[in-house]
Amino acid sequence: GQQVMQIPQYQHVQEGEDFTTYCNSSTTLSNIQWYKQRPGGHPVFLIQLVKSGEVKKQKRLTFQFGEAKKNSSLHITATQTTDVGTYFCAGLPSGGGTSYGKLTFGQGTILTVHP
Amino acid sequence: NAGVTQTPKFQVLKTGQSMTLQCAQDMNHEYMSWYRQDPGMGLRLIHYSVGAGITDQGEVPNGYNVSRSTTEDFPLRLLSAAPSQTSVYFCASSYEGQFTGELFFGEGSRLTVL
Repeated sequence: GQQVMQIPQYQHVQEGEDFTTYCNSSTTLSNIQWYKQRPGGHPVFLIQLVKSGEVKKQKRLTFQFGEAKKNSSLHITATQTTDVGTYFCAGLPSGGGTSYGKLTFGQGTILTVHP
Repeated sequence: NAGVTQTPKFQVLKTGQSMTLQCAQDMNHEYMSWYRQDPGMGLRLIHYSVGAGITDQGEVPNGYNVSRSTTEDFPLRLLSAAPSQTSVYFCASSYEGQFTGELFFGEGSRLTVL
């Protein structure tokens, strides 16, 4: 079945440093979504990428979707303590078959920010 | 709108007991799903539904049962609880039946099986 690998599993940064998490799929994706989960909270949708090579920005967050639609990244510029949490990617496989319509989540990257 | 509401928030069971986790949404979403979250394993899909009367298995369906009699409700039943089912469970819904919309998550139900 489809696998979505996310690295790193943990990232510790000083406030003001940049942060990047990477997501790689074993199969081509129809789209990819990113979620943030604050400690003790529930995942909250951040963004969805659909097009090959797509780049989207939300303030200090930059999201990219690879040309082959098999990988994606989330980059945070100048982290703040409010960025603390777990960031998940979730890929939707393209095409039909048994995996169609089953969004697969990566393992998540736990970000801690030291003030 | 309350969004996605899960109950209970916390539950402790003994091995072999059964229980139902409740999930309700008031956004008229067709798509609903249950995930379990375990450390280092992300969110794994248990069961999902694309509308009333229609359910399907996800990645880890064994030991769980679901039904969808109404658009609003999607309960998850644990038939005979096992310690391996100790986890945090999230219900999620989406307004786009073709699975391309964002997922709205409930606040989670933390289950411990002794």
